[in-house]
Amino acid sequence: DAKTTQPTSMDCAEGRAANLPCNHSTISGNEYVYWYRQIHSQGPQYIIHGLKNNETNEMASLIITEDRKSSTLILPHATLRDTAVYYCIVREGAQKLVFGQGTRLTINP
Amino acid sequence: GAVVSQHPSWVICKSGTSVKIECRSLDFQATTMFWYRQFPKQSLMLMATSNEGSKATYEQGVEKDKFLINHASLTLSTLTVTSAHPEDSSFYICSATKAGISKNIQYFGAGTRLSVL
Repeated sequence: DAKTTQPTSMDCAEGRAANLPCNHSTISGNEYVYWYRQIHSQGPQYIIHGLKNNETNEMASLIITEDRKSSTLILPHATLRDTAVYYCIVREGAQKLVFGQGTRLTINP
Repeated sequence: GAVVSQHPSWVICKSGTSVKIECRSLDFQATTMFWYRQFPKQSLMLMATSNEGSKATYEQGVEKDKFLINHASLTLSTLTVTSAHPEDSSFYICSATKAGISKNIQYFGAGTRLSVL
């Protein structure tokens, strides 16, 4: 079973920052937070992952709370191509990825 | 890069026939490959995990004799759906991990949509 809770859907205006929350209150010390997204009819795409420090790459930023019970994925300047289902997954090491229902993010022009 | 290619992207077959789906890591050697299935409006479900040269590990409820997985090289894994039936119609997606610092990141193929008539 997925160990995370995400809103079912969100909307964001094009050009604005999209902030996607994820709750993982039962996360253990060795579990990482991973974010993937799935654009319609495609395979998932890796976005970013982190353990406890905030992370940033060319796609997004990941903000993890100090108690690690929640995190936020930030897409700084959302475009229409960012419309997708975003999955927040916690896992330790090479454990299997368990996909929940994710958040359906719609970027509006 | 970490590019994973799947072929075919779409296949239609008659009930009772077998279908083979290929998954290739194009620019890296895949230490482990995974096969997922996704039904409409549902999330991805892991079917099996395979390492090169060894038998695949199937998830509970997945019939290993129906979904044959071969992982003969570090860049190629195949999934064969044997005696396919309409209920096997789904979106099949593979992923692969590579050795090194990003060893636990799974890189996904574009998926194969199977329609069984």
